[in-house]
Amino acid sequence: DTAVSQTPKYLVTQMGNDKSIKCEQNLGHDTMYWYKQDSKKFLKIMFSYNNKELIINETVPNRFSPKSPDKAHLNLHINSLELGDSAVYFCASSLSGFLTGELFFGEGSRLTVL
Amino acid sequence: GDSVTQMEGPVTLSEEAFLTINCTYTATGYPSLFWYVQYPGEGLQLLLKATKADDKGSNKGFEATYRKETTSFHLEKGSVQVSDSAVYFCALSDPPGDSSASKIIFGSGTRLSIRP
Repeated sequence: DTAVSQTPKYLVTQMGNDKSIKCEQNLGHDTMYWYKQDSKKFLKIMFSYNNKELIINETVPNRFSPKSPDKAHLNLHINSLELGDSAVYFCASSLSGFLTGELFFGEGSRLTVL
Repeated sequence: GDSVTQMEGPVTLSEEAFLTINCTYTATGYPSLFWYVQYPGEGLQLLLKATKADDKGSNKGFEATYRKETTSFHLEKGSVQVSDSAVYFCALSDPPGDSSASKIIFGSGTRLSIRP
């Protein structure tokens, strides 16, 4: 069983469209995250949720809206996609925030905006 | 703010060579330090960690020592293998009072390629 799974793995779409990426973890963790990795492999946190409550919201455009229906799921919806949104988006989870320091990452969702 | 600086890649070595990837950090508190590894087409996974000064983290032949005096956490391996080819990320976690709001901040990553 995959611990942190994201779908879709690849997403190609046109500018202006709206798309969603789903994430699920079966580790029993209470904190989930979205990270964005650009073409130079630079990794930056976007959001974190703890028990369905938004905890971290970095400087991310309002077009990005995370939703956590329960603590095992954290979805990312993106409105009005722009070229600069092209990146690999990683979902991750951890137990009790960063107490243990270990994040468990999904395999990533590569978004390409044309 | 807190930050992590690691040596730019790519780093290309021959099999069985000695590896060092430098990492330094800036933090206002007392962070925990980590090395994560990303193999091609996969997500990041924790390689090793150290939670206080002078701690040494080790895993799979890799080691890194938390040096508070030099604010460094360099990654080393005595004899690299082709299977070690990946991108390596140095990272820190500086927990505030509410640990659920703490962040892990990653360096920019160093791509390592090992020639047979």
